[in-house]
Amino acid sequence: GDSVTQMEGPVTLSEEAFLTINCTYTATGYPSLFWYVQYPGEGLQLLLKATKADDKGSNKGFEATYRKETTSFHLEKGSVQVSDSAVYFCALSTYGNNRLAFGKGNQVVVIP
Amino acid sequence: EAQVTQNPRYLITVTGKKLTVTCSQNMNHEYMSWYRQDPGLGLRQIYYSMNVEVTDKGDVPEGYKVSRKEKRNFPLILESPSPNQTSLYFCASSPRQGEAYNEQFFGPGTRLTVL
Repeated sequence: GDSVTQMEGPVTLSEEAFLTINCTYTATGYPSLFWYVQYPGEGLQLLLKATKADDKGSNKGFEATYRKETTSFHLEKGSVQVSDSAVYFCALSTYGNNRLAFGKGNQVVVIP
Repeated sequence: EAQVTQNPRYLITVTGKKLTVTCSQNMNHEYMSWYRQDPGLGLRQIYYSMNVEVTDKGDVPEGYKVSRKEKRNFPLILESPSPNQTSLYFCASSPRQGEAYNEQFFGPGTRLTVL
């Protein structure tokens, strides 16, 4: 079945540092890929998405490129801020499927 | 404002006392779904609905019921809650058409504690 794997453990980094969160997937069909963000005490918000190979999703300084050859959708940001502290979830959905398959999420803590 | 709303946001109850968590969306979306979020497990789907009167099980349906009598509402029912259902619950909806076909819009969450 469809599944998403995110790197283990929380990520702690200093303000203005470079952020990378790895995401790889397995899917039976041709998936759309998503990054969702959950700020403290809130629901999930869509951060960015990509619907076909080599597409780059971007929003709020975050980027992720749909790499079919490596089945990956890594999230990057060049210079993080304290306000980026949140939990980040990678997810996929395939056409005709009835759910989003989520990774386990990564807690990101940005220290001033 | 386009949104998914859930009520209540916080609930503490006791084992065996039936409860309902409501979910409503104002975007005319066909698809609605319930997830639970647990530490170390991410989000897991409980039930989903493709349209009115059409519901189906997700990954972890045991102990839950749903109904979809109207397009905008999708309540989650716990007939006899148990402590292992203590969790953070999210409702989501999706248009299932156009560019946003697979995109899901989430409610703010309901934190449930079963004692």
